[in-house]
Amino acid sequence: GAVVSQHPSWVICKSGTSVKIECRSLDFQATTMFWYRQFPKQSLMLMATSNEGSKATYEQGVEKDKFLINHASLTLSTLTVTSAHPEDSSFYICSARVPGGQIYNEQFFGPGTRLTVL
Amino acid sequence: AQSVTQLDSHVSVSEGTPVLLRCNYSSSYSPSLFWYVQHPNKGLQLLLKYTSAATLVKGINGFEAEFKKSETSFHLTKPSAHMSDAAEYFCVVSPWGFQKLVFGTGTRLLVSP
Repeated sequence: GAVVSQHPSWVICKSGTSVKIECRSLDFQATTMFWYRQFPKQSLMLMATSNEGSKATYEQGVEKDKFLINHASLTLSTLTVTSAHPEDSSFYICSARVPGGQIYNEQFFGPGTRLTVL
Repeated sequence: AQSVTQLDSHVSVSEGTPVLLRCNYSSSYSPSLFWYVQHPNKGLQLLLKYTSAATLVKGINGFEAEFKKSETSFHLTKPSAHMSDAAEYFCVVSPWGFQKLVFGTGTRLLVSP
């Protein structure tokens, strides 16, 4: 099956620093990847859609200068949380869509990254 | 407009008894429907999907769901719960050609010995 990995699985950083999270599709090429945020005991909230070779599309209310997304290759998308603050602490999950999967929009999810900002 | 309603925030069952997690959806177009499971501090794992073929869909770990268009429902069932089934379950809808997944609020399944 399609496998998506994320790195790191957890990270603790000081307020004001930047953190980069990687999302990789391991056994397929993903032209489209998605970044979600999940608060404790809540559902997933889509932050942005990342298309290889083009700018990401951000959801309303998500600061594009705060959450930088780069999708430089067909197997890697990165999310950089710039100048992180405690309110950015959350569980970040990426997903990837298999080629030709646009009709049914089946997505495969990574294991998530727990970010804690002190 | 697209939306998903998971009717129960928590469901408690005893090991070996049936599981029913309820999901109703609203979609302007023919939908794809998914059930995902999330164990604590883990990502989402696809249990099963409906993409317009058979209305009764079988998934992994003995789960299945039935697409009922007239009731706009996609309930998840399992004949016999196992302790390892304890997790959060998300019902998700995506109208065909729509680029985003629309998530329900989740149902926490608790399984007691």
